[in-house]
Amino acid sequence: DGGITQSPKYLFRKEGQNVTLSCEQNLNHDAMYWYRQDPGQGLRLIYYSQIVNDFQKGDIAEGYSVSREKKESFPLTVTSAQKNPTAFYLCASSITNQPQHFGDGTRLSIL
Amino acid sequence: AQSVTQLGSHVSVSEGALVLLRCNYSSSVPPYLFWYVQYPNQGLQLLLKYTSAATLVKGINGFEAEFKKSETSFHLTKPSAHMSDAAEYFCAVSRNNYKLTFGKGTLLTVNP
Repeated sequence: DGGITQSPKYLFRKEGQNVTLSCEQNLNHDAMYWYRQDPGQGLRLIYYSQIVNDFQKGDIAEGYSVSREKKESFPLTVTSAQKNPTAFYLCASSITNQPQHFGDGTRLSIL
Repeated sequence: AQSVTQLGSHVSVSEGALVLLRCNYSSSVPPYLFWYVQYPNQGLQLLLKYTSAATLVKGINGFEAEFKKSETSFHLTKPSAHMSDAAEYFCAVSRNNYKLTFGKGTLLTVNP
C-alpha cells in the first residue's frame, strides 16, 4: 500500500540534544511538508519542499532543519536551539493541485 | 494573508443528532478550502475539499460542507452523528491548493 511512514512513533530527547524525525513516502509525490501540532493550536508549518534539493521555511522554522536529498525522504532535525520541542510532529506530501496526505505522526518529549 | 477561525473548540452532540462544525476564513483571493479529521494519536485524513466547482461539497463518512462566499464560511455538517465520528476536526485554507493554513481545531464528542 502507498503511504507516508513516520518513525519513530514516540521519541525522547535530552536537553541540548539534536534528534531527527524520519518521513518516507512511496506515493511519488513531489511536495513534502512538516507540521508541528500543539494542543489547541492546530497545525503550524515548519518547512516544506516542492522538489528534491530545495526547501523553504514555513511559519515556525527556528530551531529546526531539514534536507531533501531524495524524492521519497524528508527528515526533520529538531536542534538544541528549539527551546520548546515537546509536540506532535506530522509529515505530509502532495502532488500539484491535490490535497495533502498525512503520516501518523511522531510524538517528541523531553526527558 | 489568509486565516481560518473555527468557532467552538469543543462541540458535543447526541448520537443521531445533527453535527455542525463552523469554519470562517479570510483570504485575499478565491480560496481552496478543506476539512480534515484526526483520530487520537493519528495523522489527518481528508474529509472533503472545495475547489470552486460546486458550493455544496460532499465528503466521506456522510459529511458535507457548503461554501458561502458572502459569509466567508465553510461549515461542516452531518445529518446524524455516529459514535465513530468522535474526533478532532480541522478546517484549512489555501490560496493555491498547496500551502495550507489550519484552524485550531474542533473536538467533537458524541454521547450515546
